[in-house]
Amino acid sequence: DAGVTQSPTHLIKTRGQQVTLRCSPKSGHDTVSWYQQALGQGPQFIFQYYEEEERQRGNFPDRFSGHQYPNYSSELNVNALLLGDSALYLCASSWGTVNEQFFGPGTRLTVL
Amino acid sequence: AQSVAQPEDQVNVAEGNPLTVKCTYSVSGNPYLFWYVQYPNRGLQFLLKYITGDNLVKGSYGFEAEFNKSQTSFHLKKPSALVSDSALYFCAVRDNNAGNMLTFGGGTRLMVKP
Repeated sequence: DAGVTQSPTHLIKTRGQQVTLRCSPKSGHDTVSWYQQALGQGPQFIFQYYEEEERQRGNFPDRFSGHQYPNYSSELNVNALLLGDSALYLCASSWGTVNEQFFGPGTRLTVL
Repeated sequence: AQSVAQPEDQVNVAEGNPLTVKCTYSVSGNPYLFWYVQYPNRGLQFLLKYITGDNLVKGSYGFEAEFNKSQTSFHLKKPSALVSDSALYFCAVRDNNAGNMLTFGGGTRLMVKP
């Protein structure tokens, strides 16, 4: 049974560029949440998708947007990248919006 | 607003000794509490959760946690530490009245020495 998968593993971008990160949830899961983990800190909630709609959003600017597809996979898009966007981006999936979340290995984004 | 505090950046313990990693939380509603572990260059692995019921929760790899409502704490414990337990541990809370957003603490690095 495949767990949560994320691509790519690593990514290097320059300031002002745009990036798309991808996530496939664990089999049987229909809800995807995205988190940003800066170096030396705990993960911070970006948003959650369920039934192809953004259900809840954390304290992140509109530069961060997402999408969920009918097969439950999800994308995180970040526009106008800033140096401060450099972080590990974690995707988590769950069955429904209230059950425990299972995390993928993350995508490490470096903005130069 | 919900918050989590992990007061210790690092906990050092000798192999075979009991370990405790501390966590306190703040929510307006009823808390759902979680512990996750993170190994280098890996995502977070779920250890255990408290939703309701018995205050002592047992989880994976011999870990357990005790929910204390009066002290708003959810400390992680293990009777006998292994060197392989060395990792970064995160406590997280979800306010039952605030959706499914997890709020994490800053993490505690556990170092188990042989």
